[in-house]
Amino acid sequence: EVQLVDSGGDLAHPGGSLRLSCAASGFTFSSYWMSWVRQAPGKGLEWVANINQDGSGKYYVDSVKGRFTISRDNAKNSLYLQMNSLRAEDTAVYYCARIDNSHSGWFDRWGQGTLVTVSS
Amino acid sequence: DIQMTQSPSTLSASVGDRVTITCRASQSISSWLAWYQQKPGKAPSCLIYKASTLETGVPSRFSGSGSGTEFTLTISSLQPDDFATYYCQHYNGYPITFGQGTRLQIK
Repeated sequence: EVQLVDSGGDLAHPGGSLRLSCAASGFTFSSYWMSWVRQAPGKGLEWVANINQDGSGKYYVDSVKGRFTISRDNAKNSLYLQMNSLRAEDTAVYYCARIDNSHSGWFDRWGQGTLVTVSS
Repeated sequence: DIQMTQSPSTLSASVGDRVTITCRASQSISSWLAWYQQKPGKAPSCLIYKASTLETGVPSRFSGSGSGTEFTLTISSLQPDDFATYYCQHYNGYPITFGQGTRLQIK
């Protein structure tokens, strides 16, 4: 069974840092593009970042460029999101998501989400 | 950036009703569109991809249509489990964007 388990969410101060993790199981992790998608409290979904199978290609929404870094460790079947210079508007539930096996860009599996709260 | 606009934002309907949600893209996205269902406190799950392809395991009462800039999600006969929020998403390049959501509530 495909599983994505998100972790690492916490309370952080503005300007602070957090690292989110996503542990994958039940599929060949190294064969799939992966993504982070976030959802602010009571709001809609916002795509954050994508990474290709070997980590050589990374794409970000403008609002996090230069502050967030997506990465992966295929040996550990894990996806990461390093979040620096956090702002109040980064407060959200962060989901890792698997991109479909033809790499076209829709999300066929999601983690349960991890809550990041940025507040002083 | 491609803007995705859903209508209506809220929809009230009854069990057994046929409902349609519309999603419009600010420029052509061919058929690179997906639909998701999200229930409170849960992660989204994909219903439809490539505008009209039903994801494995999704009931056949869900259907999608459209291409270019206008798309629809139709539920042919609402079931109690269908009351949720629905999002469209384009994947025709970066940035990937979602519609603002349509909340389907019980009348």
